[in-house]
Amino acid sequence: GQNIDQPTEMTATEGAIVQINCTYQTSGFNGLFWYQQHAGEAPTFLSYNVLDGLEEKGRFSSFLSRSKGYSYLLLKELQMKDSASYLCAVRRYNNNDMRFGAGTRLTVKP
Amino acid sequence: GAGVSQSPSNKVTEKGKDVELRCDPISGHTALYWYRQSLGQGLEFLIYFQGNSAPDKSGLPSDRFSAERTGGSVSTLTIQRTQQEDSAVYLCASRSRGGGETQYFGPGTRLLVL
Repeated sequence: GQNIDQPTEMTATEGAIVQINCTYQTSGFNGLFWYQQHAGEAPTFLSYNVLDGLEEKGRFSSFLSRSKGYSYLLLKELQMKDSASYLCAVRRYNNNDMRFGAGTRLTVKP
Repeated sequence: GAGVSQSPSNKVTEKGKDVELRCDPISGHTALYWYRQSLGQGLEFLIYFQGNSAPDKSGLPSDRFSAERTGGSVSTLTIQRTQQEDSAVYLCASRSRGGGETQYFGPGTRLLVL
């Protein structure tokens, strides 16, 4: 089996930086994804890491350490619209298998 | 269409009835996934289709759940003899076989079993 762990809830202030961590234990690791999901809506793709290191995309960055089974999503210059759940997902083997964590609900306060 | 579509958007049914949920993936996407999401929870994998290969059914919670994908395109998730614990949002996602590798999600079907 596999475990994907992330904090249940986080709160941050508008304009600040927040880091959402994800740890995983799995065999056949073949990539880690971050998705954003606003309440009542479908998840939307944010980022993808398959090699170690940092991937930057505007205000959002994602980091991966395969040896540690660890990833984080970094959100800078937080805006109120960033209030959402952030889902960490691990893909295994030859792209056939993708499993999601329970998600981190982020609340951005003024 | 341009994205993944699902129907119905909402379904209310009585305990014990059967329901069918439909997913139209993005044209040309060979991979199709079904997930279930209970209120405030993460996504629970149900079943995966890839081309003509045998589906990965390892996530189906019981034999009351089944899914088909006809012609490599449209998929139907069927829940027989629904129970109240089946109430959730059922999400479908599709992915192309090639690069990018991201899944594109439909809007979901919100199922309520009374």
